Amino acid sequence: DAGVTQSPTHLIKTRGQHVTLRCSPISGHKSVSWYQQVLGQGPQFIFQYYEKEERGRGNFPDRFSARQFPNYSSELNVNALLLGDSALYLCASSLWTDGNTIYFGEGSWLTVV
Amino acid sequence: AQTVTQSQPEMSVQEAETVTLSCTYDTSESNYYLFWYKQPPSRQMILVIRQEAYKQQNATENRFSVNFQKAAKSFSLKISDSQLGDTAMYFCAFTGVIIQGAQKLVFGQGTRLTINP
Repeated sequence: DAGVTQSPTHLIKTRGQHVTLRCSPISGHKSVSWYQQVLGQGPQFIFQYYEKEERGRGNFPDRFSARQFPNYSSELNVNALLLGDSALYLCASSLWTDGNTIYFGEGSWLTVV
Repeated sequence: AQTVTQSQPEMSVQEAETVTLSCTYDTSESNYYLFWYKQPPSRQMILVIRQEAYKQQNATENRFSVNFQKAAKSFSLKISDSQLGDTAMYFCAFTGVIIQGAQKLVFGQGTRLTINP
């Protein structure tokens, strides 16, 4: 079975632009989460969606938004990009069960210039 | 709020040696889950081992084992017979139960482990 897949792998954007990152969860997983990992740091939680509803939001500005589709895939959108948004964006999927393993994709590298 | 602290930014050992990575956490919850993830240069986060807080027995996965001290809020990872392929960033992570909110992971800052030939 395929793991968590993310696209694009790498992208470069200019300050002020908008970006959309996409994620497909592992088959059977209905929960998708997004994390931001700045170079040299641990990942930071951005959003979690389950059954197409937002279940949690981290400490990120309103420029960050996400949604989950009926097939459980997800998009992360970031508006008005800042240089500080440059990071690896990780998507993760899991079963909606306490303590269940959260599986990560390979990430989307975003560089803002 | 939960916090996770890894006090060793970098560690380096020789192949076949045993190495222990430290992790402490802070939470007021009584039921929670702890994980160690490995992130090699490919950047994909890979689960190494998980521990349920309500289980007193330490988790073991082949060469990887943990020392879980609930009262001390400590969760260290021991890698036995280390191999070159163990070279990676290692992250300790915590998650509470869903009823408390989102099923989110709180990560430590990471420990960069290098296995030397």
